[in-house]
Amino acid sequence: EAGVVQSPRYKIIEKKQPVAFWCNPISGHNTLYWYRQNLGQGPELLIRYENEEAVDDSQLPKDRFSAERLKGVDSTLKIQPAELGDSAVYLCASVPPGGGGTDTQYFGPGTRLTVL
Amino acid sequence: GENVEQHPSTLSVQEGDSAVIKCTYSDSASNYFPWYKQELGKGPQLIIDIRSNVGEKKDQRIAVTLNKTAKHFSLHITETQPEDSAVYFCAASRGYQKVTFGIGTKLQVIP
Repeated sequence: EAGVVQSPRYKIIEKKQPVAFWCNPISGHNTLYWYRQNLGQGPELLIRYENEEAVDDSQLPKDRFSAERLKGVDSTLKIQPAELGDSAVYLCASVPPGGGGTDTQYFGPGTRLTVL
Repeated sequence: GENVEQHPSTLSVQEGDSAVIKCTYSDSASNYFPWYKQELGKGPQLIIDIRSNVGEKKDQRIAVTLNKTAKHFSLHITETQPEDSAVYFCAASRGYQKVTFGIGTKLQVIP
């Protein structure tokens, strides 16, 4: 079974430029999370989707961040414009319906963003 | 909201010794406490978890204990090996819906 796929793995951009990250969750997983992980910190939730609905986006900085999951499968996270403080690893995770009986989150490898 | 504190932030042990990482949480409604291992360049991976109706759980060299009254839980790794070197995160949540992670512990096992 394929795991959570994220692309690109690395991205370097100049500040004020836009950037987008893509995530394809494990097949059949209807819950999808985007996390931001700053250096030396734990993951912090940005947004959680149940199918195509964003059910928790309270931590998403909506002035510059946006996300979509149009068909309830893969998802895109966008930053426009990027700031120096956005440099971090952006992680995607997924969970089967109802938590799958274990509540285990399955993480992708992340996208490391560097803003210069 | 939930607040999870984790310590120590770094831990060095000799190969074969035990390692203990401790976490506290604030929300008494949290009922699920997973531990994740993150290796360099990879995403976190679940290594063990415990629910609020259980006090202890063991899986080979790894064990987790939970004290609901004191709101703290701990990870114990026995007979450490160099491949145990990684960053370990504790987390607390109400099921899978809203998970709060600790700051992480960088474990170094010295051969």
